[in-house]
Formats: sequence, C-alpha cells, structure tokens
Amino acid sequence: EVQLAESGGGLVQPGASLRLSCAASGFTFDDYGMHWVRQAPGKGLEWVSYISSSSSAIYYADSVKGRFTISRDDASNSLLLQMKSLRAEDTAVYFCARQREYSNSRYGMDVWGQGTTVTVSS
Amino acid sequence: SYVLTQPPSVSVAPGETATITCGANNIRSKGVHWYQQRPGQAPVLVINYDSDRPSGIPERFSGANSGNTATLTISRVDAGDEADYYCQVWDSRSDHFVFGPGTKVTVL
Repeated sequence: EVQLAESGGGLVQPGASLRLSCAASGFTFDDYGMHWVRQAPGKGLEWVSYISSSSSAIYYADSVKGRFTISRDDASNSLLLQMKSLRAEDTAVYFCARQREYSNSRYGMDVWGQGTTVTVSS
Repeated sequence: SYVLTQPPSVSVAPGETATITCGANNIRSKGVHWYQQRPGQAPVLVINYDSDRPSGIPERFSGANSGNTATLTISRVDAGDEADYYCQVWDSRSDHFVFGPGTKVTVL
C-alpha cells in the first residue's frame, strides 16, 4: 500500500527549531518529487516547499525561505523539513505529499500523509 | 505572485450539480489540479491537470479550464461530497506552487 507518514511535530517556543520527517512506503520513493504543505487552524492549504526526485530543484514559499530547509534521504525513503526560527504563524498541521515528475505543472499531489501538528507558542 | 480566487462557499441540494470556480489571469495556460478535503482528513486529488480523474475518483467529478476560469463540477451531489475543495497550479514565474483559498461545499 502506498503510504506517507509524518512525524516530529510538537509544541515549541518561538525562535526554536524542529525537524519533521515523512516516511514513504509502497512506492519507488526516488521516482517522485515531494512537497510539504501546511494548514493553519481553520485556514486553507499553504504550500511550503518542494524537492525534486534528484534534489536538483528545491523551492520554498516566501514565508519560510531562509528559515526552513527541505531534504530527502532516498536510502531510507524519507523526506525531511528542518525548521528554525519558528514563529507563532508557523503553527499548523504539516502534510507531506508526493508528485509524479514530468513537469511541475503536469501532475498534482496524488498521495498525502495524515499530517503532523506543529504548535509554536510561549 | 500568482493569485487564485475561489468562492468561499457553494450550497447544493442532494442530487443536484455543484460548480466550483477557480479564477486567475490566463489560467487556461496552466494545469489546474483540484483537491477535496473532508473535515479532519488529508486532502485527496480529485482532478489532475484540468480534467483528468485519478483512479478511484467517481465519474461524477469533472473539470474544465478555459480563459481565466477553471471549473470543478460535481454531478449528482450526495452528503459524502460535503468538503472543502482547493484548486492548485504551478507558477513558473515565481517557482511557487499555489493553492486557491478553498471553497466549502455544503449539501443542503
């Protein structure tokens, strides 16, 4: 079964760091680009970051650029998001999602994890 | 950056047709993807690249994209279709993936 499972969320203080992980199973991980998408409480979906299958293309939303770092470990079928200098507005459920590669516009995000919750509060 | 607009809500009676729009300048030049998100659940891709239905998505879901508006149509709506629906595109000018603000579909 194709699955994505996020972990690493929690309650942290403003300015702290946190690392999220996404474990992939049931498919050839290194054939897919991967995303992080977040959803603040009661709000819509916000794209956070993308990494291509070869890690040659990496993009960030303006709201996280310079603070978040996306990476992948194909040996362990894992997607990572290193978050630093966290702010209250980073509070959200963070989802990982896969995207088939061809061009960035051709395919949507066809498999999603259930999300992990990050709360930034003092 | 590229901005997508969606109506905040759409209400529809069971058995009727729900139409959800996603507007942006020259959106027909982009591939539009649509996601369904039921309360407390992860999003699900229901339409890929304007009009393709992924495996397992009912034929009642269809999409179109023309001019400045992309459209998700849900025919013969039932209670299980009550959810938030988001459109999404890739903006090559900014190297950003962009979601619309979402439309809440209520089945009366």
